[in-house]
Amino acid sequence: AQTVTQSQPEMSVQEAETVTLSCTYDTSESNYYLFWYKQPPSRQMILVIRQEAYKQQNATENRFSVNFQKAAKSFSLKISDSQLGDTAMYFCAFMVFTSGTYKYIFGTGTRLKVLA
Amino acid sequence: DAGVTQSPTHLIKTRGQQVTLRCSPKSGHDTVSWYQQALGQGPQFIFQYYEEEERQRGNFPDRFSGHQFPNYSSELNVNALLLGDSALYLCASSLRLGTAKNTEAFFGQGTRLTVV
Repeated sequence: AQTVTQSQPEMSVQEAETVTLSCTYDTSESNYYLFWYKQPPSRQMILVIRQEAYKQQNATENRFSVNFQKAAKSFSLKISDSQLGDTAMYFCAFMVFTSGTYKYIFGTGTRLKVLA
Repeated sequence: DAGVTQSPTHLIKTRGQQVTLRCSPKSGHDTVSWYQQALGQGPQFIFQYYEEEERQRGNFPDRFSGHQFPNYSSELNVNALLLGDSALYLCASSLRLGTAKNTEAFFGQGTRLTVV
């Protein structure tokens, strides 16, 4: 079975501080990609960062970076200099290719609250 | 450039009824996927359409069906509604094949379906 586990249902962080959200996944596929999506109260899923599984270098996007440990099947998200606008649900997901198509498998999410 | 648009934004239906949700993909995208997001959960893959055919399906009963039109827009139909079908239904559009960047899914804001 292909699964994504986010063990932190809720987290909070002070503005300007750093927070790390955890994610582990399980798949037997070798060709996949990993993502973190943000879902604010507006409900729209917004891509935060992506990681190709075949790349050893960890992805970074401005204040967002990941710690990708392929052998451990771990994919954590670090948010530096947290801002009030970072308050949202964060979903870890991986995309797997099957028979020429693909789908996303999402975790249950972590609700992040940035405190002023 | 309009992103992914979904209609309606909210919907209330009675058990046993049928519902149709609509999605217009982002300009240039040819693939549409549908996800069900129950309250407090991550999105669950329903199915994906490309070239007007269902290409892959998640673990959903036949009551869930879809369609893709020549202009790439899509409909999700749910028959014989159950209380458990109450959820946020997300549409995601993308290009069918390519690198992770090309296959990045862009999500709409969803349709909130409430079954009473």
